[in-house]
Amino acid sequence: EIVMTQSPATLSVSPGERATLSCRASQSININLAWYQQKPGQAPRLLIYGASTRATGIPAGFSGSGSGTEFTLTISSLQSEDFAVYYCHQYNNWPHTFGRGTKLEIK
Amino acid sequence: QVQLVQSGSELKKPGASVKVSCKASGYTFTNDALNWVRQAPGQGLEWMGWINTYTGNPTYAQGFTGRFVFSLDTSVSTAYLQISSLEAEDTAVYYCAREDQTCTSSDCYPNYFYPWGQGTLVIVSS
Repeated sequence: EIVMTQSPATLSVSPGERATLSCRASQSININLAWYQQKPGQAPRLLIYGASTRATGIPAGFSGSGSGTEFTLTISSLQSEDFAVYYCHQYNNWPHTFGRGTKLEIK
Repeated sequence: QVQLVQSGSELKKPGASVKVSCKASGYTFTNDALNWVRQAPGQGLEWMGWINTYTGNPTYAQGFTGRFVFSLDTSVSTAYLQISSLEAEDTAVYYCAREDQTCTSSDCYPNYFYPWGQGTLVIVSS
């Protein structure tokens, strides 16, 4: 199965600053990658699919990039509501696999 | 709007069974796959498998065979996850998630998950 590795595990950033989260696949997954945001007590929320396409209703401050094995989620100017855990998910091959998440916390 | 609504929290004793429901609305239920994802306390997301809502055929991920059963009632656009012989290690939040797969006559190709149900907390404790 494809192993998804997210880094860092925890990222401390001040409100208003930019955050860059990384996700690496153990083999090429083309652009078949999604990003989800999860807040405490809530279900994951789709942010990005196809590596770079924002889901419906997702603010323009969220952007995704990458292809093959290296992917990035960038949040351009952090708002208080953006502090959460972010997961990447590959859907290029069975089985579906997720990264272990990056916790974005307030600095 | 497209929505998945799950049943409420459950508290079960070891050895018992539990059945979690996931009711879909806002789209044609049998057009899209339905996945199940487990999240143990403080942990990440673990894919359990999916069910073909058109044929009813389930596919289980490694580690989720035997005690786990996916089923449907298409008359009420609802999917079910049943777990038997519950163990403390089954304590988790269980999510259902819709997946718009592309299927040919011989195969289906995975896709992203949207939307997700709100989750069902299952606690196994004596």
